[in-house]
Formats: sequence, structure tokens, C-alpha cells
Amino acid sequence: GAGVSQTPSNKVTEKGKYVELRCDPISGHTALYWYRQSLGQGPEFLIYFQGTGAADDSGLPNDRFFAVRPEGSVSTLKIQRTERGDSAVYLCASGRAVGTEAFFGQGTRLTVV
Amino acid sequence: QKEVEQDPGPLSVPEGAIVSLNCTYSNSAFQYFMWYRQYSRKGPELLMYTYSSGNKEDGRFTAQVDKSSKYISLFIRDSQPSDSATYLCAMRYTGGGNKLTFGTGTQLKVEL
Repeated sequence: GAGVSQTPSNKVTEKGKYVELRCDPISGHTALYWYRQSLGQGPEFLIYFQGTGAADDSGLPNDRFFAVRPEGSVSTLKIQRTERGDSAVYLCASGRAVGTEAFFGQGTRLTVV
Repeated sequence: QKEVEQDPGPLSVPEGAIVSLNCTYSNSAFQYFMWYRQYSRKGPELLMYTYSSGNKEDGRFTAQVDKSSKYISLFIRDSQPSDSATYLCAMRYTGGGNKLTFGTGTQLKVEL
């Protein structure tokens, strides 16, 4: 596709459940970023990948959050034992290289009930 | 105190007005400054990208950076109803990859 694709667009889950959020970056983009946006706030950095490796995961809030990008393209953000406070829009962005313009997807709206 | 401060608004202006949006920041290491536009239930879209201090103009949009005051601005001339959106400032420092620090966003409504 032409842009960054995120699936699902909406996810409702029960407290304590495990969820996976998927990001398909723009083809050929080596840099991939995850951000989290709570209601009325700006996006907050979670993690970024350069190729397959996580170059900076300093924004992950705790060890319930984990992200992978095994083949340097698609990335999955995984959240274990979800809590109501995890409810937010999770945004993915990709760029040709680290430091170049990043293009955002539409986000996955996660609601933990 | 947040690293980047931005008035959340909402800001309502009549069509054709000049809009001024602003952010202040505390980290003097920030070197790259951006403005994003975000429509409801959409991802942020990059509008302007500026390095260090100075002005940059692109069509109806002008971005200004004053590093001495740690203050950045976005001006929108001849505002249109289609400009109604949330405007986010963002910044990063050299060597920070593309790890962006965002403001909270200002909600703008341009009325007919």
C-alpha cells in the first residue's frame, strides 16, 4: 500500500488479556516507530527500530510492553496483562532512514474494559 | 513540568483570519522542530520541518523558531474551514534518531 497500515483499527479487550497490534510500514522504509496517544495529549514515544533491531526502547512504560520486527518490515506491538490505563491510540510511523521524515499510520484505538 | 508546552485551545477563528499557534520548550538540546496536523481519528501529518532558528514558509504556512527564547510558532494565513484540526508541535535533538517529543496539540476550528 501507499501508506503505513495499522491493524486492527479498533480493539476492545478485557482487563488482563493479551493483545497484539500490527504495523505495515511503507515499503523500503528501514526506520519504524511506535507512539502512544492518550485522549487530549500529544503522541508519546515508545520504541523505534532500525531494520530488525530495537534501537531505542526507552519509552516502553514497563515490561508488559514488547515490540518485534523480525524481518525488518512488519512490526508487532505486544501488550500483556492489559490494564485500563493502557487504553489509548497506538500510532506507528515509518521513515526511509532514522532522522528522515516519518509518516504516521491512522493508529489502533485500544480500549481496555 | 513538561518538556514541550502547548496551549490546548480550542481556538476558534473566522474564515480568512491569520492563525498563530505556539509552543515553548525547556530542553535547549532540541535542534529540529516540526508542526503536524491531525484530523479527528487520523494519524499526524507533517506540515513543516525546521532546523535550528529561523523562518520557513510553505504556501499559507510559516514556521518560526526562536531558540534563544525556546519558542516556536506556526502561522496560517487566509485560514480555511479545511484547516480545522489539531496542530501538534514536535521536536527532537541531534542524535536522537527520530524520537520526537510532542506538545499536547492545539485544537483549531475555522468557521464560515
